[in-house]
Amino acid sequence: DIQLTQSPSFLSASVGDRVTITCRASQGISSYLAWYQQKPGKAPKLLIYAASTLQSGVPSRFSGSGSGTEFTLTISSLQPEDFATYYCQQLNSYPGAFGQGTKVEIK
Amino acid sequence: EVQLVESGGGLVKPGGSLRLSCAASGFTFSSYSMNWVRQAPGKGLEWVSSISSSSSYIYYADSVKGRFTISRDNAKNSLYLQMNSLRAEDTAVYYCARDLIAAVAGMDVWGQGTTVTVSS
Repeated sequence: DIQLTQSPSFLSASVGDRVTITCRASQGISSYLAWYQQKPGKAPKLLIYAASTLQSGVPSRFSGSGSGTEFTLTISSLQPEDFATYYCQQLNSYPGAFGQGTKVEIK
Repeated sequence: EVQLVESGGGLVKPGGSLRLSCAASGFTFSSYSMNWVRQAPGKGLEWVSSISSSSSYIYYADSVKGRFTISRDNAKNSLYLQMNSLRAEDTAVYYCARDLIAAVAGMDVWGQGTTVTVSS
């Protein structure tokens, strides 16, 4: 099974900061990677799919890149509503594993 | 409005059974693959099971294989998860979620979740 490792697990940042989260796959998954945002008590929200395609309605400050085994999610200028936990998920093969999550908190 | 609404969660004893339901509305349910994803208290997301639009393809996480059964009724716009031989570690919020594009692009519509608690 493919494993995903996110780094960091926790991130403290200020409004306006540029934030980058990394997701590494244990084997190549081409571009079959999605990113989600989850706020406490809420369902996850799809941000990015196919590694770099912005889901409809998601602000352009979110971007994704990478292919193969290394991927990044970047928030160009962190906004107050972006403080949340972020997960990557591989869709190359079943089981569709998630990363362990990255919690972004206010500095 | 595109919507998924889960139901059927509750408190059950170890070894017991529960059937979750997910009612879909606002889209052509029969055209989409569907999933169950769970989240244990204070933990991350765990993919549980997926089913293709016509039920031809079904997949399970190793942690639930042989105990859980996913199914769907396209005539009723509904997704189900039959959970047997429940364990304490199955305690979680269970979400149903729609695949964006044929299981390769992530899940774009999620329900609000239903809570399953396995405890004596």
